[in-house]
Amino acid sequence: DTEVTQTPKHLVMGMTNKKSLKCEQHMGHRAMYWYKQKAKKPPELMFVYSYEKLSINESVPSRFSPECPNSSLLNLHLHALQPEDSALYLCASSQDLAGVDTQYFGPGTRLTVL
Amino acid sequence: KNQVEQSPQSLIILEGKNCTLQCNYTVSPFSNLRWYKQDTGRGPVSLTIMTFSENTKSNGRYTATLDADTKQSSLHITASQLSDSASYICVVRDSGGGADGLTFGKGTHLIIQP
Repeated sequence: DTEVTQTPKHLVMGMTNKKSLKCEQHMGHRAMYWYKQKAKKPPELMFVYSYEKLSINESVPSRFSPECPNSSLLNLHLHALQPEDSALYLCASSQDLAGVDTQYFGPGTRLTVL
Repeated sequence: KNQVEQSPQSLIILEGKNCTLQCNYTVSPFSNLRWYKQDTGRGPVSLTIMTFSENTKSNGRYTATLDADTKQSSLHITASQLSDSASYICVVRDSGGGADGLTFGKGTHLIIQP
């Protein structure tokens, strides 16, 4: 199984809503990532978890809150988002943070904030 | 500052033709270079990954080359198919450590016309 799954595929939310994005992998990877990608732009790193501990937070606003309940799951909790937060949110995983490795990306969640 | 530049920004070719995409980078110290294919609204999928000592790597109709001296890479697509229409992203990893050691190019948007 070399798949990273993400739910939901699409999400539309208002600025006062609270929602969560979910990501799951069963490859035994110990590093998991959240990226934000705007149209025609490369993915931007948001958060990195290594062995279920937050390793990197790339100065992301507090309205985005990551959570790693176990080694297979990664969540991104959303609250009081702004319209400019509308984007494709990608989850990825890799064996670990060091060395030559390949990141496996999920299909993404297309988020629209009204 | 680490940078990855890709050219052309976009490319339209006829089905069955070959094409070559370019990637120039200034990432240092260098660890590896990856090419990803990203269909619209989907997550990137890894095509190849090359380290310093590798000059060429193939994956089906995709052949990547790396010249670590000139810091250039290319992705050659042979006998293009309609399903090759996608964005192709060059990603370079530095060996300085840290999960944020990936620098993404902006991608080349490839359209295959019948």
